[in-house]
Amino acid sequence: DTAVSQTPKYLVTQMGNDKSIKCEQNLGHDTMYWYKQDSKKFLKIMFSYNNKELIINETVPNRFSPKSPDKAHLNLHINSLELGDSAVYFCASSLRQPTDTQYFGPGTRLTVL
Amino acid sequence: GNSVTQMEGPVTLSEEAFLTINCTYTATGYPSLFWYVQYPGEGLQLLLKATKADDKGSNKGFEATYRKETTSFHLEKGSVQVSDSAVYFCALTEAGYSTLTFGKGTMLLVSP
Repeated sequence: DTAVSQTPKYLVTQMGNDKSIKCEQNLGHDTMYWYKQDSKKFLKIMFSYNNKELIINETVPNRFSPKSPDKAHLNLHINSLELGDSAVYFCASSLRQPTDTQYFGPGTRLTVL
Repeated sequence: GNSVTQMEGPVTLSEEAFLTINCTYTATGYPSLFWYVQYPGEGLQLLLKATKADDKGSNKGFEATYRKETTSFHLEKGSVQVSDSAVYFCALTEAGYSTLTFGKGTMLLVSP
């Protein structure tokens, strides 16, 4: 009965590769997000989707492409991985209002060698 | 733009000590304010929130009051436990937008 799940939990890959991270929520929420947490624990929004439509894209390189096949899924595809992409990526979901609680997945730790 | 400033960590306390983690914000409108907690190796979970001025959020013995006049949302707990050791994030959402703007996080270490 996991609310927000992500796969994989760990991802180790070489520079230049392409990889995907999957996210699913079973909360019936309209809005989903990707956040990036760097090595100093700083969290920053990357993307926000509402009902499969991109709402926010926060100055993220176009090597990062989110895809939302339906309301319950938001996947993140990364092309041509770079060393600086190493981080923990968190998926989250919520209802649409700014006052609504966001529910976070367990995170995917990406290491680029 | 919006921003959240938290006190630098780590904050190191003995069990049963009083905790305060300071948080101040800058926002153009009337934001909603949140404290999220991240336990080691886990994702973030909501600890408490307040959506308008003078509201007090509380949960698990933690409290924070939305102070518009000082643009602050300080987190307090009267008696911390070892199990409270985690990273605490202050965050806001601005009216009309649901994305969170986070502070840099404050690590809390509680020793027995």
